[in-house]
Amino acid sequence: NAGVMQNPRHLVRRRGQEARLRCSPMKGHSHVYWYRQLPEEGLKFMVYLQKENIIDESGMPKERFSAEFPKEGPSILRIQQVVRGDSAAYFCASSLQIGEHEQYFGPGTRLTVT
Amino acid sequence: QQQVKQSPQSLIVQKGGISIINCAYENTAFDYFPWYQQFPGKGPALLIAIRPDVSEKKEGRFTISFNKSAKQFSLHIMDSQPGDSATYFCAASTGSGNTGKLIFGQGTTLQVKP
Repeated sequence: NAGVMQNPRHLVRRRGQEARLRCSPMKGHSHVYWYRQLPEEGLKFMVYLQKENIIDESGMPKERFSAEFPKEGPSILRIQQVVRGDSAAYFCASSLQIGEHEQYFGPGTRLTVT
Repeated sequence: QQQVKQSPQSLIVQKGGISIINCAYENTAFDYFPWYQQFPGKGPALLIAIRPDVSEKKEGRFTISFNKSAKQFSLHIMDSQPGDSATYFCAASTGSGNTGKLIFGQGTTLQVKP
């Protein structure tokens, strides 16, 4: 009964490179949320996806950030042309179904931009 | 109106004491209020949650008190233990028909002294 899995756990990128973060939801869960946690701050919602659909991306920065959740495989959060301000912990959470509020979080990916 | 305000920012409690963390919200459409516990380097773990149709929920040493009219809710940790030392986040979300995204408070760092 594996929980939410995220990889890599740590990612170092130079400014201008691309970062690709992966999230596999809990077994049976088809709803994925991405949150960002800046140092010494709370978690901020970024995007909510179901299989093959972006449902709510109201928390996503307008540029450089994109997310997908394909029919097969993990959800991916992509950050293009990273800048130092993108350094943060990125958490993925999954839930069983819409209206099922309980969200279970993965261990996070800690992105460092040098 | 989407904010959740959490206090205190940090808290030091003696072993065996009661830890109390408070949160306040503005959006009356919120109908789900979870608390998450986060240890350093880990993802947030769902601790306990409440819906506004009840005023209190208890699970072991953890109790949520909910005051709908005041739009406030709090986490009480009874008989606090050093192992409870972590960061605690309150959150809120709206119900079915919405995306269920969580709005988090800023977090409270709890230290329980032996």
